Amino acid sequence: GNSVTQMEGPVTLSEEAFLTINCTYTATGYPSLFWYVQYPGEGLQLLLKATKADDKGSNKGFEATYRKETTSFHLEKGSVQVSDSAVYFCALGQGGSEKLVFGKGTKLTVNP
Amino acid sequence: DAGVIQSPRHEVTEMGQEVTLRCKPISGHNSLFWYRQTMMRGLELLIYFNNNVPIDDSGMPEDRFSAKMPNASFSTLKIQPSEPRDSAVYFCASRPNSANYEQYFGPGTRLTVT
Repeated sequence: GNSVTQMEGPVTLSEEAFLTINCTYTATGYPSLFWYVQYPGEGLQLLLKATKADDKGSNKGFEATYRKETTSFHLEKGSVQVSDSAVYFCALGQGGSEKLVFGKGTKLTVNP
Repeated sequence: DAGVIQSPRHEVTEMGQEVTLRCKPISGHNSLFWYRQTMMRGLELLIYFNNNVPIDDSGMPEDRFSAKMPNASFSTLKIQPSEPRDSAVYFCASRPNSANYEQYFGPGTRLTVT
């Protein structure tokens, strides 16, 4: 079945550091891929998405590229801020099912 | 526009009591999802509805859990009787048919069963 594997956290960075959170997936065909973010005490919010191979999703300085050859959708940001501290979830959606398959989440803490 | 609305935001109850969580999806959204989030198990899909009909309840942990969607603007998740291991944050999410799988989450209900 479909699955998502993302790097385990927690990840702790200093402000202005470069961020990469790895995400790989297992699926047949061409899933749609997502990154969601959950700030403390809140629900999940869509951060960015990509619906086909080689698409790049971007938002708020974050980027992720849909790589079918490596079945990956790694999240990157060139310079993180304290306000980026949150839990990040990679997810995929596919086929006739409306369900999203989520990774376990990666907690990011950015220190000033 | 209002997002997904959940109530209550916090619930503390004693073991054995009935608990009802409520969700109002975004107007016009056709699908509604109930999730549970814990440190140990992460984010789990419990059940989802499309056009008020339950489509997949395979994630409902046991018969103590039940969910209903009597109309397009309201859903409930009920736990009866509640147990301490049900303590978690419960999220509701909704999605329009036109969206490419994208779901919109509510703020969650933090349930504590003592």
